[in-house]
Amino acid sequence: NFMLTQPHSVSESPGKTVTISCTRSSGSIASTYVQWYQQRPGSAPTTVIYEVNQRPSGVPDRFSGSIDSSSNSASLTISGLKTEDEADYYCQSFDSSNRWVFGGGTKLTVL
Amino acid sequence: EVQLVESGGGLVQPGGSLRLSCAASGFTFSRYSMNWVRQAPGKGLEWVSYISSRSNSIYYADSVKGRFTISRDNARNSLYLQMNVLRAEDTGVYYCARGAAYTNGWYGSYFDYWGQGTLVTVSS
Repeated sequence: NFMLTQPHSVSESPGKTVTISCTRSSGSIASTYVQWYQQRPGSAPTTVIYEVNQRPSGVPDRFSGSIDSSSNSASLTISGLKTEDEADYYCQSFDSSNRWVFGGGTKLTVL
Repeated sequence: EVQLVESGGGLVQPGGSLRLSCAASGFTFSRYSMNWVRQAPGKGLEWVSYISSRSNSIYYADSVKGRFTISRDNARNSLYLQMNVLRAEDTGVYYCARGAAYTNGWYGSYFDYWGQGTLVTVSS
């Protein structure tokens, strides 16, 4: 079984670029896909990235995903930050023991 | 438009039971796997249970195994979660989430659509 570790919080100014990391504790980050979910305050989660770097329709191309095998981590990058991007972001991956694993979540503040 | 609407949450005493429902619309329900994901107050997301499109594969998180039962009725486009022997740590918002298979056929899935959630409070 593996865990996904995210920073508790990040902050950045409007118009800037921010990257949120998600580090896998054991096994290769590249062995299965990573997803990212956005959860605005008081709302249900929505998918912003699936299969590492794919954006669902309606998600702006300011959102991008990647993985880095050297650090065994995935990243969500948001460019041209807007105040509406302020939310909690969760990474998620599937464990072959039939378990869906979430990271602890990162609170993004756009100030 | 895909819609998932949960219901059945409420206040229940420790050791009690509750049955959650999720009504699906806007897609062919019988073709998709479904999941329950929960979120304790002020905490992160936790996957609870999975059921395949025809109910032939069912999985649970260790934290609920033996106490919770997931089921579905494809004729009624509905997903259920029977929760027994409830504990205080089961308190939270329960989301119904549709499963999306990976496009390259890899084993596994992710959550592409989520409902708005239903609140379960376990307290005396």
